[in-house]
Amino acid sequence: GEDVEQSLFLSVREGDSSVINCTYTDSSSTYLYWYKQEPGAGLQLLTYIFSNMDMKQDQRLTVLLNKKDKHLSLRIADTQTGDSAIYFCAESTPGNTGKLIFGQGTTLQVKP
Amino acid sequence: KAGVTQTPRYLIKTRGQQVTLSCSPISGHRSVSWYQQTPGQGLQFLFEYFSETQRNKGNFPGRFSGRQFSNSRSEMNVSTLELGDSALYLCASSLDVSPGELFFGEGSRLTVL
Repeated sequence: GEDVEQSLFLSVREGDSSVINCTYTDSSSTYLYWYKQEPGAGLQLLTYIFSNMDMKQDQRLTVLLNKKDKHLSLRIADTQTGDSAIYFCAESTPGNTGKLIFGQGTTLQVKP
Repeated sequence: KAGVTQTPRYLIKTRGQQVTLSCSPISGHRSVSWYQQTPGQGLQFLFEYFSETQRNKGNFPGRFSGRQFSNSRSEMNVSTLELGDSALYLCASSLDVSPGELFFGEGSRLTVL
C-alpha cells in the first residue's frame, strides 16, 4: 500500500545543518518531493528527485535517495530561523500528477 | 503571475449544513486537486479534476464532491457537515506534466461547530 512516514519534530541551532528523514513504501513512485509549509500558508515545493537518481543538490538543499531501503532525506545546510516550518515528504502515484501521498510532516524548529 | 486563489479563507458552519469552497488555479493550469489537512490525518487527497472531468478520487464519503468549470476554476462541496470535517482544505493546480509540480493555495479553513 501507499504510506509515507516522517519523524514529527526536529530542533536545531541556527547555522547548523538539518536532516529530515522520510520512508516510503511504493517502489513504483517515479518522483519524490519535499514541500515546505509556513504558518498560515499553503505548501511550497522545495525540490524533487527522480526515482533513478541518488542525490540532488540545489543551493542549501541536498536530497538523498536510497531506493533499496525506500529512504529519502532532505539536508538543509546553514539552517536559518526563516527555515522554521513544517516539511513534508511526498511520493507520486503512477499516472496521477495531481495525487501525491504525503507524510505527516516534520516540524523544524531553528533556535537562534 | 497570480497564484492559486482559494475562497473563502475562513468559515464557520454548524453540523448538518453544507459548504462550497472555491479555487481559481494559476492561468494555464488545467489540473486542479483538492486535499484535506487535519492534525490527526495529515494531508489526504480528495479528488483531482482535469478539463472538467474528475480524474481521480480519494477515499472520502460521497458527502464530498467537486466540479470544475470550463475556465478551470474548481469548487468542492461538503454536504451534511460533521464535526470531523473541520480542517484546512487545500487546492493545488498543475500543468499536468511530469514531474507534476503542484502549486498550492493558502487554503480554506473550515470549522464545524
